[in-house]
Amino acid sequence: QIQLVQSGPELKKPGESVKISCKASGYTFTDYAMHWVKQAPGKGLKWMGWINTYTGKPTYADDFKGRFVFSLEASASTANLQISNLKNEDTATYFCARVADYFDYWGQGVMVTVSS
Amino acid sequence: DIQMTQSPASLSASLGETVTIECLASEDIYSNLAWYQQKPGKSPQLLIYYANSLNDGVPSRFSGSGSGTQYSLKINSLQSEDVSIYFCQQNYDSPPTFGGGTKLELK
Repeated sequence: QIQLVQSGPELKKPGESVKISCKASGYTFTDYAMHWVKQAPGKGLKWMGWINTYTGKPTYADDFKGRFVFSLEASASTANLQISNLKNEDTATYFCARVADYFDYWGQGVMVTVSS
Repeated sequence: DIQMTQSPASLSASLGETVTIECLASEDIYSNLAWYQQKPGKSPQLLIYYANSLNDGVPSRFSGSGSGTQYSLKINSLQSEDVSIYFCQQNYDSPPTFGGGTKLELK
């Protein structure tokens, strides 16, 4: 069955970096784009951007340009999200999601807490 | 960006009741709309796509309708497991945008 399994929760200090992974299984990884979605505590869903899993080309939403990097380990069917220079407002759950036309499969989410 | 406005923000209903959640787009999205269900502490799950197509495995008590800028999600015969937050999402134009969510609780 199709699964997206993300890495575990993270506790970081402001200014540090974090790398989150999303391992896909049950389908051909390069056939579907991988998107990233942020959900701040008690808030809605905000699209961060996506990565073309065939070419590796990332596309970032305007609010996520600069400190956010999408990458792939295609041989491991894994997509990664790295956030540098963490800020308090980065405290959120980060989801990866497979997209054909819609977000049809989601990872379980990674809670990133930024606190001094 | 296309703005998605959901109403109501919260809703309380009884078991067996029929509930409707609305989603208004800031411009015509030509039925390029999905609905997601997010249970507490879980990731969102796709319920409806292209405004009225039921995703595999989703109970038939869920249905979607609408066109243009106005869309709705209807849940017939509310069950306890339907307690969730529901989000609409448009993918007519990039960036894909979500509604603010509707929290559904049992009365």
